[in-house]
Amino acid sequence: DQQVKQNSPSLSVQEGRISILNCDYTNSMFDYFLWYKKYPAEGPTFLISISSIKDKNEDGRFTVFLNKSAKHLSLHIVPSQPGDSAVYFCAAKPSSGSARQLTFGSGTQLTVLP
Amino acid sequence: DAGITQSPRHKVTETGTPVTLRCHQTENHRYMYWYRQDPGHGLRLIHYSYGVKDTDKGEVSDGYSVSRSKTEDFLLTLESATSSQTSVYFCAISESFGANSGELFFGEGSRLTVL
Repeated sequence: DQQVKQNSPSLSVQEGRISILNCDYTNSMFDYFLWYKKYPAEGPTFLISISSIKDKNEDGRFTVFLNKSAKHLSLHIVPSQPGDSAVYFCAAKPSSGSARQLTFGSGTQLTVLP
Repeated sequence: DAGITQSPRHKVTETGTPVTLRCHQTENHRYMYWYRQDPGHGLRLIHYSYGVKDTDKGEVSDGYSVSRSKTEDFLLTLESATSSQTSVYFCAISESFGANSGELFFGEGSRLTVL
């Protein structure tokens, strides 16, 4: 039973437009969320995080939105660039829990078309 | 970039043979992790370590063992490899472990194929 779900395995977006990657979770104990980005033949790298005390966190072109009532978060990339093409993993854990409790989604492959 | 090196980067082996993957870090981080990445499953924790000689099981630990004799090295061993262990293995490190932790630094991965 996947507690963190990324239901879209892939997403294609035109350069300059907005990319929206979605993530749903079922465990109500999760209140700390992270996004990781992964290029082929490389390890994942941390992108952005959000705690449940916020509903939005922004870092440059990347914004994560959290809807606690819907148990849903999304990552917005504006404007999208070809270098953003990668697999994006959503991850979640209880904020009081340790890093070993991170649960990852299955990932979404984003392709930004020039 | 965090100094994490995994070896070997690619390995093909046969069912029943032992395999050891090595993770070496130069960041002096206390916490180290082994994950596997499979299609449709994302990243799943195999084992982790919270110090020299201190290790514990993760979500998918069956068939794997680990050892950490030095801060910088974390070894993952498959005593008798099976085809279900064909995967990409990632080592990760972190400075913190407790509340609001979660930012992990990953190695480049080791692709293992068990025939």
